[in-house]
Amino acid sequence: GEDVEQSLFLSVREGDSSVINCTYTDSSSTYLYWYKQEPGAGLQLLTYIFSNMDMKQDQRLTVLLNKKDKHLSLRIADTQTGDSAIYFCAESPMDTGRRALTFGSGTRLQVQP
Amino acid sequence: EAGVTQSPTHLIKTRGQQATLRCSPISGHTSVYWYQQALGLGLQFLLWYDEGEERNRGNFPPRFSGRQFPNYSSELNVNALELEDSALYLCASSHGQGSTDTQYFGPGTRLTVL
Repeated sequence: GEDVEQSLFLSVREGDSSVINCTYTDSSSTYLYWYKQEPGAGLQLLTYIFSNMDMKQDQRLTVLLNKKDKHLSLRIADTQTGDSAIYFCAESPMDTGRRALTFGSGTRLQVQP
Repeated sequence: EAGVTQSPTHLIKTRGQQATLRCSPISGHTSVYWYQQALGLGLQFLLWYDEGEERNRGNFPPRFSGRQFPNYSSELNVNALELEDSALYLCASSHGQGSTDTQYFGPGTRLTVL
């Protein structure tokens, strides 16, 4: 079955760049997503990338996809204290009959002032 | 545009009782999804409803059930509650078309089973 893995924790200083990594196993994935979860809140969609793309940039966010290695990364430029949260990557299956997102365990980003 | 809404925010039940959680999707969205976020287990897919029908189900026992109403809102029912059902239950909605169907999440209902 599908599996998505992330490192559990990342600590950076305010103003630095953060890079959160994710690996997945399902080669038939169509879209790969990044969600942000702040304490006690739901999931906020940050960005997504289609599996035939290598890179997507959206303001401070850059997503890189290495389809050969099944590796996804999210780079946050000029990281701010408000970026402190848990970041989840998720993959969407090709099979539209299933539609269930498979999530990684989440990476807790701590931004130190 | 209003986002996905869920009620109640918090729900406290005792073991053996039933819980009902509600979700209203984004206007224009026909698909509703339910996920469970339990401590130590991560986010797990529960159910997907589209156009009033259950389309897919995750690896959960039958005491987790739900329905989707004609206005596309949805209920999740959990019968015979167990302590392990304590979790944040997240609802998401999408347009319901094609494989490019981005899911937008609500704030969740925190269920505590005592």
